[in-house]
Amino acid sequence: DVKVTQSSRYLVKRTGEKVFLECVQDMDHENMFWYRQDPGLGLRLIYFSYDVKMKEKGDIPEGYSVSREKKERFSLILESASTNQTSMYLCASSSSTEAQETQYFGPGTRLLVL
Amino acid sequence: SQQGEEDPQALSIQEGENATMNCSYKTSINNLQWYRQNSGRGLVHLILIRSNEREKHSGRLRVTLDTSKKSSSLLITASRAADTASYFCATDKGAQKLVFGQGTRLTINP
Repeated sequence: DVKVTQSSRYLVKRTGEKVFLECVQDMDHENMFWYRQDPGLGLRLIYFSYDVKMKEKGDIPEGYSVSREKKERFSLILESASTNQTSMYLCASSSSTEAQETQYFGPGTRLLVL
Repeated sequence: SQQGEEDPQALSIQEGENATMNCSYKTSINNLQWYRQNSGRGLVHLILIRSNEREKHSGRLRVTLDTSKKSSSLLITASRAADTASYFCATDKGAQKLVFGQGTRLTINP
């Protein structure tokens, strides 16, 4: 079974803090993704990565950065947290094999920025 | 950029009934996927249908795809209380970048 884990289920941070959200997958997947989920807006893609040290902007990258130093780990960084970044953050991974487009999701991190 | 839009936004039915959810999208796709999300949890993949397929089954799930209408439907037969969740369609235009709709919240009443 594919397992995607996220470092925290719940996180409370103050405005201006630097926040790190970690995601680890154990299936040797090439692709990893970060989404945020907000009521009425569904899931929106923040950043994704097709390989180690590679990153691509998604639909809403502003205010975020990412790091992929190892294949199994994809970190999302909020450089200076703001209240509008309060959200549920979901990490996912997938294989690059053509027949394996399914994305496997972690349990999510619910972030509250005060 | 929202591609998939689900309809209805919320659906409440009695246990044992069938539930149908619809998804519409705007541009051509490689495949369309359906995911389920239990409250406060991550998403779980249910089924994938490719652009050259019209119908697919998996257990109590049946998915149809009409590329001419740019729409898909998910049918859950003989619903159970455990099917209570939010259901999302996601379109893959290529390179495995998925675009999710806003979801249908399904409630199964005992």
